[in-house]
Amino acid sequence: EAGVAQSPRYKIIEKRQSVAFWCNPISGHATLYWYQQILGQGPKLLIQFQNNGVVDDSQLPKDRFSAERLKGVDSTLKIQPAKLEDSAMYLCASSLATNTEAFFGQGTRLTVV
Amino acid sequence: GEDVEQSLFLSVREGDSSVINCTYTDSSSTYLYWYKQEPGAGLQLLTYIFSNMDMKQDQRLTVLLNKKDKHLSLRIADTQTGDSAIYFCAERPNSGYSTLTFGKGTMLLVSP
Repeated sequence: EAGVAQSPRYKIIEKRQSVAFWCNPISGHATLYWYQQILGQGPKLLIQFQNNGVVDDSQLPKDRFSAERLKGVDSTLKIQPAKLEDSAMYLCASSLATNTEAFFGQGTRLTVV
Repeated sequence: GEDVEQSLFLSVREGDSSVINCTYTDSSSTYLYWYKQEPGAGLQLLTYIFSNMDMKQDQRLTVLLNKKDKHLSLRIADTQTGDSAIYFCAERPNSGYSTLTFGKGTMLLVSP
């Protein structure tokens, strides 16, 4: 079975620019997560979707971050405008349901200069 | 809220056993996970245990859970150089739309 796909793998942008990340979850997985992992730390949840609805976005910096999951399958995460402190690995994960194990993609490494 | 703590670094020789420790704080029934992350890559799910279990074994991996102390350990038998990576402990309460809370990770370095 195909895993969680993310693109791009790497992105370098200047501060104040915009960037978008894309995630395609495992087929049939209703729950999709975006995590931010700063170097040397564990992943931190940004947003969780159940199908195309948001169930937790309490830690998403909504003044600059946005995410959507139209049609309940693929998802995009956008940062506008980016700050230096947004440099991190952005991980997408999916699970069959909210109470089952989550499988992660390879991540997108963002560097803001 | 949940809080997960891990030791930061472990160094072992190839062929030895490795034991990575983790403590968690959630008081309700919970799932506890171990993930492996190689440099520049995503997280790979290794194994998980529910908080009503004491132990789970899967090939070279053994998970031990001390519910009283909220202490979780991952033992890797016959550690290989390919096991060098960062290992994350994560907790997910067994309730509603719960989410994973991760520790900061333990870097395992296996020397030949």
